[in-house]
Amino acid sequence: SQTIHQWPATLVQPVGSPLSLECTVEGTSNPNLYWYRQAAGRGLQLLFYSVGIGQISSEVPQNLSASRPQDRQFILSSKKLLLSDSGFYLCAWNRAGAQETQYFGPGTRLLVL
Amino acid sequence: AQSVTQLDSHVSVSEGTPVLLRCNYSSSYSPSLFWYVQHPNKGLQLLLKYTSAATLVKGINGFEAEFKKSETSFHLTKPSAHMSDAAEYFCVVSALNDYKLSFGAGTTVTVRA
Repeated sequence: SQTIHQWPATLVQPVGSPLSLECTVEGTSNPNLYWYRQAAGRGLQLLFYSVGIGQISSEVPQNLSASRPQDRQFILSSKKLLLSDSGFYLCAWNRAGAQETQYFGPGTRLLVL
Repeated sequence: AQSVTQLDSHVSVSEGTPVLLRCNYSSSYSPSLFWYVQHPNKGLQLLLKYTSAATLVKGINGFEAEFKKSETSFHLTKPSAHMSDAAEYFCVVSALNDYKLSFGAGTTVTVRA
């Protein structure tokens, strides 16, 4: 069976500090990978998605970036965090092809102070 | 383009009574439709998925949803609410040949003892 991991689970960072969130998927190969942000009391916003190693599509221009150094690893980064970057970050995966069900990780709660 | 409207931002029910969460969608193509549940500080869990097979879809934990093309609706129901059903529920649509999901704003369900 497939599992998806995210870490850390919780992170408190000062404004202006860097960020690195990691997501890994086990039990499948060549998955599509996604990063979402969920701000307090709001729905999910797609940030990035990737259909293969080194292939990243950005949905929202901002101070975040994503990378996919390995087939089942997806990293969300920032060089300098803003207060507005606070939120709940979710990674998801699905099998290659559109309309496949997306499966979500447990999430990372980020608080920028 | 596709979009989703969840008609209720908050639903409150008594334990043991039926639950109805309403969702209308808009899609240019034959959509796939999903319901996800999110408990506090957790990732999203798939409840059920519609993919143009049977219009009545049964999911986990006693939930089911009915796809009505004429009404562009995909309402979620459960005949008897349990305390553990207290969570946020998202209706989601995925269009053909599109990696991206469109999320509704979510419905928060509270269950009274």
